[in-house]
Amino acid sequence: AQSVSQHNHHVILSEAASLELGCNYSYGGTVNLFWYVQYPGQHLQLLLKYFSGDPLVKGIKGFEAEFIKSKFSFNLRKPSVQWSDTAEYFCAVKGGGSQGNLIFGKGTKLSVKP
Amino acid sequence: NAGVTQTPKFRILKIGQSMTLQCAQDMNHNYMYWYRQDPGMGLKLIYYSVGAGITDKGEVPNGYNVSRSTTEDFPLRLELAAPSQTSVYFCASSAQGSPSGNTIYFGEGSWLTVV
Repeated sequence: AQSVSQHNHHVILSEAASLELGCNYSYGGTVNLFWYVQYPGQHLQLLLKYFSGDPLVKGIKGFEAEFIKSKFSFNLRKPSVQWSDTAEYFCAVKGGGSQGNLIFGKGTKLSVKP
Repeated sequence: NAGVTQTPKFRILKIGQSMTLQCAQDMNHNYMYWYRQDPGMGLKLIYYSVGAGITDKGEVPNGYNVSRSTTEDFPLRLELAAPSQTSVYFCASSAQGSPSGNTIYFGEGSWLTVV
């Protein structure tokens, strides 16, 4: 069965600090990988996704993620966070192809201090 | 561009009451989903549908029912509300099968409190 692990429950950073949120998944086949962001009181929005090709994926708002197949990881990074990045971040994985559902990690809450 | 629309946004129910959360999408997506989100638990799939007339259970289906009579609509029904169903509910859809079809689009959520 698929599963997704996000290593950090709550991350607190100061503005301009660099960010890396860990995400590991378990699934033996081809996967599609996603990071979603949920700003306070809002719905989930797609930050970036990986289907195939270049394992370094660039998303919106300066975020990027790197798919490392050998480590079953898809960590999210941003070189310099802003106060407006305060949100909850969810990693999700879906088995490739038309079968299977999107499985979410438990989320990482990011608090950025101004 | 309406996308995925959920109603109501907020609702307070008494134990034992019934209600339906409405969900509609205007993107002609064949797949639709209902998730619940509880603090520190991420999102759990309740039910999903791969097309009109077809529904299937997700990870946490107990206490809920769904129907999919049209491509656009996917209502979620709570028959006998219980405090354990206090949660935030998200409806979502995707165009499964297309090259970019695996992206799931979410509605804005419905905050439900059962007292």
